[in-house]
Amino acid sequence: EAAVTQSPRNKVAVTGGKVTLSCNQTNNHNNMYWYRQDTGHGLRLIHYSYGAGSTEKGDIPDGYKASRPSQENFSLILELATPSQTSVYFCASGEIGQGNTEVFFGKGTRLTVV
Amino acid sequence: GDSVTQKQGQVTLSEDDFLFINCTYSTTTYPTLLWYVQYPGQGPQLLLKVTTANNKGISRGFEATYDKGTTSFHLQKASVQESDSAVYFCALVGNNNAPRFGAGTKLTVKP
Repeated sequence: EAAVTQSPRNKVAVTGGKVTLSCNQTNNHNNMYWYRQDTGHGLRLIHYSYGAGSTEKGDIPDGYKASRPSQENFSLILELATPSQTSVYFCASGEIGQGNTEVFFGKGTRLTVV
Repeated sequence: GDSVTQKQGQVTLSEDDFLFINCTYSTTTYPTLLWYVQYPGQGPQLLLKVTTANNKGISRGFEATYDKGTTSFHLQKASVQESDSAVYFCALVGNNNAPRFGAGTKLTVKP
């Protein structure tokens, strides 16, 4: 099974500060994703990537940037953190195909913006 | 764009009861439909997947099916156990190869 590692696991940030959430995967998947999870909303797609150098906007990209410097690493950047960005963030990696779709998640990062 | 609706927010059952969770989806392409399970403090784990090719997936006593006519897909288990208590998410992979998730169903199984 693909290993997806997120860091940090917990983060407290101040309003207006910059926050970077990191994600590393070791299964050589092309696709990587960032989601946030809030009660009542499930997992909402923020940004995703098809490979090194690629970033795409998901469904709720406002206030977030993403960076994919290599196949293994995908970062989520909050340039000016706001309390509304307090949430649990999940990174995932995967391959998509009719017969072999697999998407694996990390353990999540709990971000609190005060 | 692609979307998934999962309306059952909470389900409470007793052991050996039948479980049925339903999601509806919208996409303009051939979908892959996924079911994930999430335990407290953990990330979602892939439970089952269903494609237009295989129509059905089975794992750990759970069965996933889909109905193209009503654009819905379902997760069922004949006899739930207390250990099945968790949050279950349906997800759609359609256009853009980016999974979209439902809001989740919290299953509580009473002993």
